[in-house]
Amino acid sequence: DSGVTQTPKHLITATGQRVTLRCSPRSGDLSVYWYQQSLDQGLQFLIQYYNGEERAKGNILERFSAQQFPDLHSELNLSSLELGDSALYFCASSATGELGEQYFGPGTRLTVT
Amino acid sequence: GQQVMQIPQYQHVQEGEDFTTYCNSSTTLSNIQWYKQRPGGHPVFLIQLVKSGEVKKQKRLTFQFGEAKKNSSLHITATQTTDVGTYFCAVYNTDKLIFGTGTRLQVFP
Repeated sequence: DSGVTQTPKHLITATGQRVTLRCSPRSGDLSVYWYQQSLDQGLQFLIQYYNGEERAKGNILERFSAQQFPDLHSELNLSSLELGDSALYFCASSATGELGEQYFGPGTRLTVT
Repeated sequence: GQQVMQIPQYQHVQEGEDFTTYCNSSTTLSNIQWYKQRPGGHPVFLIQLVKSGEVKKQKRLTFQFGEAKKNSSLHITATQTTDVGTYFCAVYNTDKLIFGTGTRLQVFP
């Protein structure tokens, strides 16, 4: 158990819909990262927040957005969903947000039908 | 952008055989991390290397960072069925952790 929690575990929704994925980092970790893992694209970095502020952005689509709240939990919002958005979405946390170990949550499996 | 290639993509070994996965970059790396992801699981941090030529060991696992800091390897001695999973290298590049393509290891008893 990494100490990072993600909800929900599974999500099935239709194209065009909007969903919100939630992540609670390990106690004391200030940085949260979101990743997308699909069979053909591997593990792709989406976005990082550090203590409430966006720190780094990866290959995140404009239809996707994220935020980190004062209690440090984070949400990833996916809108206008397409079939290709079906993937595993992982959240990870780290203490400082710089070079160092990242602790991954169990992931949310999103299926868009 | 930064790309990190791993080879092989898949490896099937008999239990007790050794296994090695390689991570290669076209640019000099400041650091490299290794993660393991069991089937149906999430990536778990194994180790971080930062120094040229660095070698670190964890029981049957040996990690190496190339002298030119452009490649790294993970070697498992005498594989066990518990070693099954996908092994990823990852590098930091402008605040982003870029994951390699991964090597899926299957161990037959």
